[in-house]
Amino acid sequence: DTGVSQNPRHKITKRGQNVTFRCDPISEHNRLYWYRQTLGQGPEFLTYFQNEAQLEKSRLLSDRFSAERPKGSFSTLEIQRTEQGDSAMYLCASSLSDYYGYTFGSGTRLTVV
Amino acid sequence: AQSVTQLDSHVSVSEGTPVLLRCNYSSSYSPSLFWYVQHPNKGLQLLLKYTSAATLVKGINGFEAEFKKSETSFHLTKPSAHMSDAAEYFCVVRDTNFGNEKLTFGTGTRLTIIP
Repeated sequence: DTGVSQNPRHKITKRGQNVTFRCDPISEHNRLYWYRQTLGQGPEFLTYFQNEAQLEKSRLLSDRFSAERPKGSFSTLEIQRTEQGDSAMYLCASSLSDYYGYTFGSGTRLTVV
Repeated sequence: AQSVTQLDSHVSVSEGTPVLLRCNYSSSYSPSLFWYVQHPNKGLQLLLKYTSAATLVKGINGFEAEFKKSETSFHLTKPSAHMSDAAEYFCVVRDTNFGNEKLTFGTGTRLTIIP
């Protein structure tokens, strides 16, 4: 098991385009999280899945954002009609529970031009 | 509600001297607390965690943290700094009430090691 994998590592897109990111968690982890990190700040919570169910969403997740985890394994995060303010590092994490901690991927860096 | 305050945005220490990174938290329930490290262009790595067991927590690479409920603090320490410790450090809190899965991160402390 090589940890949490995120693809792509970098994405440059024009304003108004749609983008999709993928996260492959550690295989036995039933919990999956998306966070967003802007320059000089700590990561901010976006959404949480337990298996395939999306159980919690932040108010940061506007209606242009959608996340799925169709079979309780990998997850995708889609941003529609991207804006410059969406430029950030998007981080995925997975976990069994607090006791074991949360394993983060290396992130997808999105630049909207 | 949960929140965390990292009291120093930047800490500089000489190699071989002790490290102290300060963190205060606010929690409406019993908290879980974590320290993560982020090296440049690398992912977040878990250093240590407190999840209601022993209040003195030992982590990787010689780091420790002590949970002090009366002071609402969870400061990170290391007896002797190494050049490889230079990185950004994040204190993280989670209220352990049912249904809350959100981690709240501090704004980070950048640790610089002086040779």
